[in-house]
Amino acid sequence: KQEVTQIPAALSVPEGENLVLNCSFTDSAIYNLQWFRQDPGKGLTSLLLIQSSQREQTSGRLNASLDKSSGRSTLYIAASQPGDSATYLCAVDQRPSGSRLTFGEGTQLTVNP
Amino acid sequence: NAGVTQTPKFQVLKTGQSMTLQCAQDMNHEYMSWYRQDPGMGLRLIHYSVGAGITDQGEVPNGYNVSRSTTEDFPLRLLSAAPSQTSVYFCASRPGGASNQPQHFGDGTRLSIL
Repeated sequence: KQEVTQIPAALSVPEGENLVLNCSFTDSAIYNLQWFRQDPGKGLTSLLLIQSSQREQTSGRLNASLDKSSGRSTLYIAASQPGDSATYLCAVDQRPSGSRLTFGEGTQLTVNP
Repeated sequence: NAGVTQTPKFQVLKTGQSMTLQCAQDMNHEYMSWYRQDPGMGLRLIHYSVGAGITDQGEVPNGYNVSRSTTEDFPLRLLSAAPSQTSVYFCASRPGGASNQPQHFGDGTRLSIL
């Protein structure tokens, strides 16, 4: 059974700091890995999707990397801002249909002004 | 586009009552899923569908039924509500085909069973 772990569970940083969130998974037979953002009381917003054949994806200040063989992914946030405060979730997809995501429990990020 | 719309946003039920959580998407997505989110357990898949008329069970299907009569709608039915079903429920959709398309989530239904 696939298990996804995110470290740390919570992180508090001052504004402007660069930071890294970690995600690990136990079964490397995945089709893609996604990073999501969840604001309190809201649904999930997809940030980045890395296909199994890719090593990284970038969007603005966000960069996600994937090392499928070691079962690890990182989300790098550059020059953090208070608006980045949210819970960040990673999820792996083990079916080509994308209908079965296994999620980590998330990292709760607080960026202090 | 409205994206993925879930109704109601909040609901309180008594043990033993039944209800249907509604999910609709206007993006013509083939794939739709239901997840529940609980503290300390993350999001877990309840049921999913790869197209109209096709559904299958996820990780925690007991106590829930689904059907998919149209591409747009994927309702989740609680047959006889139990306190263990108190949770936040999310519906998600994505296009069919290759695995390079992200999931789109609704804003959730917060359900309390007394």
